[in-house]
Amino acid sequence: DIQMTQSPASLSASVGDRVTITCRASQSIDTNLLWFQQKPGKAPNLLIFSASNVQTGVPSRFSGGGSGTVFTLTISRLHPEDFATYYCLQNYSPPQTFGPGTRVEIK
Amino acid sequence: EVQLVESGGGLVKPGGSLRLSCAVSGFTLSSYTMNWVRQAPGKGLEWVASISSTSTYIYYGGSVKGRFTVSRDNAQNSVFLQMNSLRVEDTAVYYCASGVYGYWGPGTLVTVSS
Repeated sequence: DIQMTQSPASLSASVGDRVTITCRASQSIDTNLLWFQQKPGKAPNLLIFSASNVQTGVPSRFSGGGSGTVFTLTISRLHPEDFATYYCLQNYSPPQTFGPGTRVEIK
Repeated sequence: EVQLVESGGGLVKPGGSLRLSCAVSGFTLSSYTMNWVRQAPGKGLEWVASISSTSTYIYYGGSVKGRFTVSRDNAQNSVFLQMNSLRVEDTAVYYCASGVYGYWGPGTLVTVSS
């Protein structure tokens, strides 16, 4: 099975900050990587698919990059509504696997 | 408007069974792979299973393989997750999600406890 790791596990940031979260795969997954945002008590929300494609309706301050084994999610300027937990998911080969999550908190 | 709604969750004893349903509307179910994802209380997301549009390809996560069965009825606009031999560690909110996870239901809570 492909293992996914994320760093950092959590971070504190201020409104307006630039934030980057990294996701690493234990083997190459090409660009078969998704990013989700989840708020407490809610279902996850798809932000990025195929590593770098922004889902329709997602603000342009969210961007994704990478290929192979290392991927990034960047929020260019944090808005108050961006404080949440972010997960990556590899859908390159089954079983699909999520990263453990990165919690973005208010400083 | 696209909607996915899970149902069938509840309290069950270890070793018991439950059948979850995911009713979809607002899109053509027969065109999409469907997925089940779960989240234990206070924990991260765990991929459970996926089923292709015509049920040709079905995959399971290692922790549920052999105990859970995913199926679908495109004519009834529904996807199902039959869960047998339930364990305490299967306690979670179970979500269904469409295709490449563009749409999700609100989830249904399954509690396995004696």
